[in-house]
Amino acid sequence: AQKVTQAQTEISVVEKEDVTLDCVYETRDTTYYLFWYKQPPSGELVFLIRRNSFDEQNEISGRYSWNFQKSTSSFNFTITASQVVDSAVYFCALSEGWDGANSKLTFGKGITLSVRP
Amino acid sequence: DAMVIQNPRYQVTQFGKPVTLSCSQTLNHNVMYWYQQKSSQAPKLLFHYYDKDFNNEADTPDNFQSRRPNTSFCFLDIRSPGLGDAAMYLCATTRESTDTQYFGPGTRLTVL
Repeated sequence: AQKVTQAQTEISVVEKEDVTLDCVYETRDTTYYLFWYKQPPSGELVFLIRRNSFDEQNEISGRYSWNFQKSTSSFNFTITASQVVDSAVYFCALSEGWDGANSKLTFGKGITLSVRP
Repeated sequence: DAMVIQNPRYQVTQFGKPVTLSCSQTLNHNVMYWYQQKSSQAPKLLFHYYDKDFNNEADTPDNFQSRRPNTSFCFLDIRSPGLGDAAMYLCATTRESTDTQYFGPGTRLTVL
């Protein structure tokens, strides 16, 4: 069974601080996919990144960066120079790749990030 | 342009009065999902369609039903809403199950 753990529940930072959101996953599969979604107060889940298990390269997109480490089963997300608009709930999620028709997303419990001006 | 559309955005219903939530997509994706999300919780998968094949989660109450009349549309029917069904309902679509799921804006359901 797959599992995603987001141990941090709430993080509060001051604008322009860097912040890292942790994600640890468990799976027995060798093929799997990891995701981060952002959920602002409006409620929509906004896709941020998808990573497959064979690609351990870190990725940077503007102020966002992701660190994927299979050795520690972690897929952490860093926001550099945080802004008030980054305030949201962030979900890490995992899907296994073995059942094409019925693979499902397993979500972590989410991290509420508050960025204060 | 919106790719996954949910209507209405806000729905108020009375206890026990059937309600239908709508989801449409312009992506021509094979898979459509319905999630329930209660306050401060992660989304919980209710069921999904892979093309016309319906897949119900084991713990989804019988009170929740779904229809997918064509590729573009999927409906969530709540036959007799209870107070505990008040939540955000999210629709998502994906081309194949292991691809990225794209979510609609959600319908926030209130049960009086």
